Amino acid sequence: DTGVSQDPRHKITKRGQNVTFRCDPISEHNRLYWYRQTLGQGPEFLTYFQNEAQLEKSRLLSDRFSAERPKGSFSTLEIQRTEQGDSAMYLCASSPTRGNEQFFGPGTRLTVL
Amino acid sequence: DAKTTQPNSMESNEEEPVHLPCNHSTISGTDYIHWYRQLPSQGPEYVIHGLTSNVNNRMASLAIAEDRKSSTLILHRATLRDAAVYYCILRPFGLNTDKLIFGTGTRLQVFP
Repeated sequence: DTGVSQDPRHKITKRGQNVTFRCDPISEHNRLYWYRQTLGQGPEFLTYFQNEAQLEKSRLLSDRFSAERPKGSFSTLEIQRTEQGDSAMYLCASSPTRGNEQFFGPGTRLTVL
Repeated sequence: DAKTTQPNSMESNEEEPVHLPCNHSTISGTDYIHWYRQLPSQGPEYVIHGLTSNVNNRMASLAIAEDRKSSTLILHRATLRDAAVYYCILRPFGLNTDKLIFGTGTRLQVFP
């Protein structure tokens, strides 16, 4: 399968723990995006990268959240000291260039107990 | 950020056409109109986009009002697989941003 992949698909953690999610974009896609989606809502933008450069971060992205794309290929999203309000679906998307359609992965569902 | 307004839900019978409306009265001249849909338990997927002229692709058609303040996504023959949440999104061209701003979308139910 050559689509966007995310790992893990589900994560259950206790409040206060750190979690890390991985996203593998479609090969040769320069742009990589992270979104968060809570129940009944549309996805909310968190951040995006062009190659390894993080070009924009949402104000939703508190200092507990950090995203990296060190080699311009896969990306990781880390949440430190998780809170119950972090429970959501975390979606990754990629696109070949700016303005093109974004291809979404299946998401990682995070549950914070 | 330009805002869109969509009905919360719509229903259709299988093999009937579906017209999903979207209002975007504050659209600017450089905003493209994009539609994505999200099937149950999946990430969103691109459907179609346009600027001024009506557009057709294998999935759907997009009809854009002459004043561009509204648009309609047309599914010509709904199938059960078309049951999803449909999002109408304005995407500015030329600005130094590339994010998608989703609303709550329209949940389409398709009945056999």
